[in-house]
Amino acid sequence: AQTVTQSQPEMSVQEAETVTLSCTYDTSESDYYLFWYKQPPSRQMILVIRQEAYKQQNATENRFSVNFQKAAKSFSLKISDSQLGDAAMYFCAYSGYGGSQGNLIFGKGTKLSVKP
Amino acid sequence: ETGVTQTPRHLVMGMTNKKSLKCEQHLGHNAMYWYKQSAKKPLELMFVYSLEERVENNSVPSRFSPECPNSSHLFLHLHTLQPEDSALYLCASSRGTSGNYEQFFGPGTRLTVL
Repeated sequence: AQTVTQSQPEMSVQEAETVTLSCTYDTSESDYYLFWYKQPPSRQMILVIRQEAYKQQNATENRFSVNFQKAAKSFSLKISDSQLGDAAMYFCAYSGYGGSQGNLIFGKGTKLSVKP
Repeated sequence: ETGVTQTPRHLVMGMTNKKSLKCEQHLGHNAMYWYKQSAKKPLELMFVYSLEERVENNSVPSRFSPECPNSSHLFLHLHTLQPEDSALYLCASSRGTSGNYEQFFGPGTRLTVL
């Protein structure tokens, strides 16, 4: 069965600095998707960034980028120029293709604090 | 943030009560999901509905009973719950159940079972 591990329960970053959140996963599949979701306090969870496993190029969305290491089964999230609004729980998630393989499997999350 | 709505936002119930959680999506999606979010645990998928048919039931106790009357609405009926069922219950929707579809989440219902 697939698993997702986030080894950092909490992280802290100074405003305007860069922070990297770690995620590792386990799967025997060769094709799958990886996601980072953000859950701000008392607000809805939203998708931050997505990576298709067959793509070698790392996904980027504005200040958010990933370091996808398929062989190492590692999928870290880098937040550049951190802002106060980045403070949230960040969840790494995995899904396979179709059917029950398409269901999201989440890590336990990393709570990110941003210091002014 | 109004694509997926959930009511009520907070619910306190006794172990003998019967209550229902409601989810509505305004995105024209075909798949809907119920998740349980407990402190210090990963989100747990409870149920998946695709085109109003239940396609996934992750060994959830029978005291949780889902209902999907149409593709826009999803309910979770609760009865004789236990204190360990206290958690944040999240609803989500997506265009389909294939893994590449983004899931859109509601704000959740914070459930407390006394």
